[in-house]
Amino acid sequence: KAGVTQTPRYLIKTRGQQVTLSCSPISGHRSVSWYQQTPGQGLQFLFEYFSETQRNKGNFPGRFSGRQFSNSRSEMNVSTLELGDSALYLCASNLGPLGTEAFFGQGTRLTVV
Amino acid sequence: SQQGEEDPQALSIQEGENATMNCSYKTSINNLQWYRQNSGRGLVHLILIRSNEREKHSGRLRVTLDTSKKSSSLLITASRAADTASYFCALYTGANSKLTFGKGITLSVRP
Repeated sequence: KAGVTQTPRYLIKTRGQQVTLSCSPISGHRSVSWYQQTPGQGLQFLFEYFSETQRNKGNFPGRFSGRQFSNSRSEMNVSTLELGDSALYLCASNLGPLGTEAFFGQGTRLTVV
Repeated sequence: SQQGEEDPQALSIQEGENATMNCSYKTSINNLQWYRQNSGRGLVHLILIRSNEREKHSGRLRVTLDTSKKSSSLLITASRAADTASYFCALYTGANSKLTFGKGITLSVRP
């Protein structure tokens, strides 16, 4: 079966702009989590959605938001981009609760210039 | 902190040797997971060990968990060049919590 699909793979944006990233989980998976990965901070949890509801949230400013659709696909949005938002954004889906095996997509590499 | 701390930060070994990586943590956990990441790509789940388990095996992987010492180790036996990657331990502390990743260990296996 198809894995977790993230689009786009690469993105270059200018400071102040906004960006929307997309994640399609594995079919049947209802939990989708987002992570930000940077060399300095490592993998930081952004938020988790389950059945269209945000179930858990990390310590990120309100510029980072997300949503989940009825087909479990999820999007995350970052507004007013800053240089420090440059990172690899990873999406993961779980069949069961968050503590079960997570399946990751290939990530979206965002560069803010 | 709910984050695991991996040790060493970097490891370089010869093909065929065993690689041992450690993860220590400070909180109570429900389970501990190990993931692998090849350069700049997504993470791949390797193994999950529950708090009431002491050891698990999967192919060339062996994971141990000592909850009294709050530590886990990942052993890769007979390493291959293809094992070159970053390895992360991730902690799950229970219902309604998130999965928290450590900073990772960079493993380099020389052919």
